[in-house]
Amino acid sequence: GAGVSQSPSNKVTEKGKDVELRCDPISGHTALYWYRQSLGQGLEFLIYFQGNSAPDKSGLPSDRFSAERTGGSVSTLTIQRTQQEDSAVYLCASSFRRADYNEQFFGPGTRLTVL
Amino acid sequence: RKEVEQDPGPFNVPEGATVAFNCTYSNSASQSFFWYRQDCRKEPKLLMSVYSSGNEDGRFTAQLNRASQYISLLIRDSKLSDSATYLCVVSVRDNDMRFGAGTRLTVKP
Repeated sequence: GAGVSQSPSNKVTEKGKDVELRCDPISGHTALYWYRQSLGQGLEFLIYFQGNSAPDKSGLPSDRFSAERTGGSVSTLTIQRTQQEDSAVYLCASSFRRADYNEQFFGPGTRLTVL
Repeated sequence: RKEVEQDPGPFNVPEGATVAFNCTYSNSASQSFFWYRQDCRKEPKLLMSVYSSGNEDGRFTAQLNRASQYISLLIRDSKLSDSATYLCVVSVRDNDMRFGAGTRLTVKP
């Protein structure tokens, strides 16, 4: 079946511009995550959606970052007034929530470069 | 202190070698533990879950020590295809997972 998809695969933008990154999770997965991975670094948790519950935004680095998930499926991560330090690969993952197993399936990521 | 810390690596080993990675976590309330594998410029993929009693999957053995808040991954008879970054992942609560920075492994002929 189809995996997690993300678009665009690459995005180059100028400092100060806004960008939107999209994630299509696996159909039926109730949980959706956004992470950021800088070159040579581990994954930095950004935000987590679970069903209709309020999202866990504890990982968002500043108020320039926001995300929404419409209809419990597609999610959009928005970065306003981008800065050079925002350059990274933004990974989306989804999982089917079960008490005994919660493997996350990752998308290929969006590589964001802020000039 | 980071929530999940791993050996910095990189590990460069010959084919056939046995290599072990360590990982420590700070939150004693952590419930679930995993190892993910990430190939260069690819997304992470689940390698194996880590169970309290320890578990083995072919050449890979994972162990958990809750008292020391320590997880390990042992790879026996290393293959060239094992070259990747190995990410230690700890879940404090259901579906809230924290990733270590990863340990890079290169297996050479």
